[in-house]
Amino acid sequence: AQTVTQSQPEMSVQEAETVTLSCTYDTSESNYYLFWYKQPPSRQMILVIRQEAYKQQNATENRFSVNFQKAAKSFSLKISDSQLGDTAMYFCAFMNTGGFKTIFGAGTRLFVKA
Amino acid sequence: AAGVIQSPRHLIKEKRETATLKCYPIPRHDTVYWYQQGPGQDPQFLISFYEKMQSDKGSIPDRFSAQQFSDYHSELNMSSLELGDSALYFCASSSYGGATTGELFFGEGSRLTVL
Repeated sequence: AQTVTQSQPEMSVQEAETVTLSCTYDTSESNYYLFWYKQPPSRQMILVIRQEAYKQQNATENRFSVNFQKAAKSFSLKISDSQLGDTAMYFCAFMNTGGFKTIFGAGTRLFVKA
Repeated sequence: AAGVIQSPRHLIKEKRETATLKCYPIPRHDTVYWYQQGPGQDPQFLISFYEKMQSDKGSIPDRFSAQQFSDYHSELNMSSLELGDSALYFCASSSYGGATTGELFFGEGSRLTVL
């Protein structure tokens, strides 16, 4: 069975600075997707960034980028130039390619301070 | 753009009662997922449906059942409610499960409170 582990329950960062959220996962599959989802307070979850396991190049979406280390089963999220609107719960997630179940980590609550 | 619609948004029930949650996926999405999120917890996968057939099953109690209808909306039926069922229930939809991008599109959730 796949598992996703986020070891940082809470983090804070000053506005405009950079923060990295950690995630490790365990799977015996070779083809899968990894995701970071953002859940703002009292709001629905939305996708931040997605990585396909077969791609060696790290995904980037504007201020958000990942460091994907397949051999180490590590998938960290870097947020650059943090903004107050980045304050949210961030979930690392895993899905097998062609699968019908996404597994979430425990989440990291990020506070961006003015 | 149309999003995933869940109803009701809030629901209060007594122990041992029954509750039904509804989910309307994004148009042309054929896969629906149900998650349960307790306070301060990560979303726990309950069940998913692809083309009206159950496609995967997680930690869904036997007291719960779900189905996807011909118009692709889904309903989660919960019976003999317990205090521990109090949670936020998310529905998500996607196109052909994880075979395309794997991205899930979430609704705003239905908050169930069992008294």
